[in-house]
Amino acid sequence: DVKVTQSSRYLVKRTGEKVFLECVQDMDHENMFWYRQDPGLGLRLIYFSYDVKMKEKGDIPEGYSVSREKKERFSLILESASTNQTSMYLCASSPQRTPLYEQYFGPGTRLTVT
Amino acid sequence: KQEVTQIPAALSVPEGENLVLNCSFTDSAIYNLQWFRQDPGKGLTSLLLIQSSQREQTSGRLNASLDKSSGRSTLYIAASQPGDSATYLCAVNWGTDKLIFGTGTRLQVFP
Repeated sequence: DVKVTQSSRYLVKRTGEKVFLECVQDMDHENMFWYRQDPGLGLRLIYFSYDVKMKEKGDIPEGYSVSREKKERFSLILESASTNQTSMYLCASSPQRTPLYEQYFGPGTRLTVT
Repeated sequence: KQEVTQIPAALSVPEGENLVLNCSFTDSAIYNLQWFRQDPGKGLTSLLLIQSSQREQTSGRLNASLDKSSGRSTLYIAASQPGDSATYLCAVNWGTDKLIFGTGTRLQVFP
């Protein structure tokens, strides 16, 4: 079975802090994704990556950056956390870039910025 | 604009009922469509993936159908159980490297 893990289930950070969210997949997938999920807005794509050191902006990249130094690991970085970044963050991976095949999700990280 | 809609937003049914969840999409030229389940506070679990050339997919008590011409997919759950209570999301790929998600249907099955 594909396994996608996220470093934390719950995080509480202060405004202005730099925040790192880590995601690891164990199936040698090419693609990795970061989404945020908010009530009434559904899942929105922040960034994705189709190869090591490659990244593409999603629909809402402002205030975020990403890093993919190894194929299995994709990190989401909040350079200076703000209260409007309080959300559920979901990581996903997929075996092929285009067209996109089945996506597999991690358990999510609930981030609260105070 | 390519959009995915799920109506109703919430549904409550008694145990044992057969039920249908709906997903509509605006552009019929899809590549595939995926149904997910999400339990409260958890990540998404993939249930079924239908390719554009397929009409339906089945897994246990779940059956997903696809009608591209009408821009619709349905997820049929047979003999519903309280353990089926969750939010169900559909997501569409239009041949790119992104999925477009609906906002989900929150299902409650009561004993």
